[in-house]
Amino acid sequence: DTGVSQDPRHKITKRGQNVTFRCDPISEHNRLYWYRQTLGQGPEFLTYFQNEAQLEKSRLLSDRFSAERPKGSFSTLEIQRTEQGDSAMYLCASSQRASTLSGVNTQYFGPGTRLTVL
Amino acid sequence: KNEVEQSPQNLTAQEGEFITINCSYSVGISALHWLQQHPGGGIVSLFMLSSGKKKHGRLIATINIQEKHSSLHITASHPRDSAVYICAVTGRVTGGGADGLTFGKGTHLIIQP
Repeated sequence: DTGVSQDPRHKITKRGQNVTFRCDPISEHNRLYWYRQTLGQGPEFLTYFQNEAQLEKSRLLSDRFSAERPKGSFSTLEIQRTEQGDSAMYLCASSQRASTLSGVNTQYFGPGTRLTVL
Repeated sequence: KNEVEQSPQNLTAQEGEFITINCSYSVGISALHWLQQHPGGGIVSLFMLSSGKKKHGRLIATINIQEKHSSLHITASHPRDSAVYICAVTGRVTGGGADGLTFGKGTHLIIQP
């Protein structure tokens, strides 16, 4: 257990429905990341928050995807009008503001939410 | 072409063997990460490197910035080391964002007793 939790762990939905996932990062971590992983592939970056500000969005994040982190603590990822291609594992990670010379800190991953769109 | 390439994609070895997994990247980075993913999805960070070499137990990670190459070594491998090992980079890599990770496809390692 890394201390990052995600809910739900599994979600099955029908095409066209909206779904929302939640991520609770480690409490003192101010950076939060969302990634998506399809079967047999490495994860892909979706978006990144520092506190409540969404600082980076991948071009993979279509208009149907929206992410929020309203109080700089937990985050939600919503997918509207789901498509079968959205079926994947959605991973959340958190880290502290970097104190290293590289400007990068270790990311701690949650267990993921596996989405299946029928 | 993926900016982060790993080899081999699959590796099966006998218990006790010395394991090497390689990672090459094509652009400038701030840091390179080695991650372990077990069936079911959980990802654990093993190392974060900007230069040189790090060791933790039976795991050793090295990076050569000039050659844009990193290796993960496992000494005295054990069946519990069986997992997917993923190389990822942070930095000026397309699609990863300034701070997000860009991942390789992973190396599926099986250690047989």
